[in-house]
Amino acid sequence: AQSVSQHNHHVILSEAASLELGCNYSYGGTVNLFWYVQYPGQHLQLLLKYFSGDPLVKGIKGFEAEFIKSKFSFNLRKPSVQWSDTAEYFCAVNGNGFKTIFGAGTRLFVKA
Amino acid sequence: GAGVSQSPSNKVTEKGKDVELRCDPISGHTALYWYRQSLGQGLEFLIYFQGNSAPDKSGLPSDRFSAERTGGSVSTLTIQRTQQEDSAVYLCASSLGRSPLNEQFFGPGTRLTVL
Repeated sequence: AQSVSQHNHHVILSEAASLELGCNYSYGGTVNLFWYVQYPGQHLQLLLKYFSGDPLVKGIKGFEAEFIKSKFSFNLRKPSVQWSDTAEYFCAVNGNGFKTIFGAGTRLFVKA
Repeated sequence: GAGVSQSPSNKVTEKGKDVELRCDPISGHTALYWYRQSLGQGLEFLIYFQGNSAPDKSGLPSDRFSAERTGGSVSTLTIQRTQQEDSAVYLCASSLGRSPLNEQFFGPGTRLTVL
């Protein structure tokens, strides 16, 4: 069965610090990978996605993620975070079926 | 255009009562999903509708949970004889079609509290 593991439940950073949120998945076949974000008081929205091709994916607001197949990982990165990046981040995987499996989420708090 | 809407935004009920949660997907989206988000948990898949096909109910946690989608648009999730462990945020999402290439658009959720 598919599963998604996010290593950190809570992360606190100062503005301008670099961010890396870990995500590992369990699935043996071809996968589609996603990061979703939920800003305070807002809906979940797609941050970026990987289906095929270049394993380094760039999303909105300066975020990027790298798919490393050998490590079953899809970590999210941002070189310099801003206070407005305070949100909850969810990694998700879909094994070419409709059922997308989400991780437990990582709450990021950025201190101004 | 309008996004996915859900009602009510908050629902407080007593244990043993039935509740109905509503989802209005984005117009033209044929796929509709229900998820449950419990405190500290990820999004738990509940049920999926695609067009006129039979829904996939494999994520429903018990027979107290049911959902329908009328006319390929609005969906209602019903929880009968609610229990305290049903307390969670119930999220609805819609997408253009079945393909995972289609982004899921989420509604604001319904926060259900069972006393």
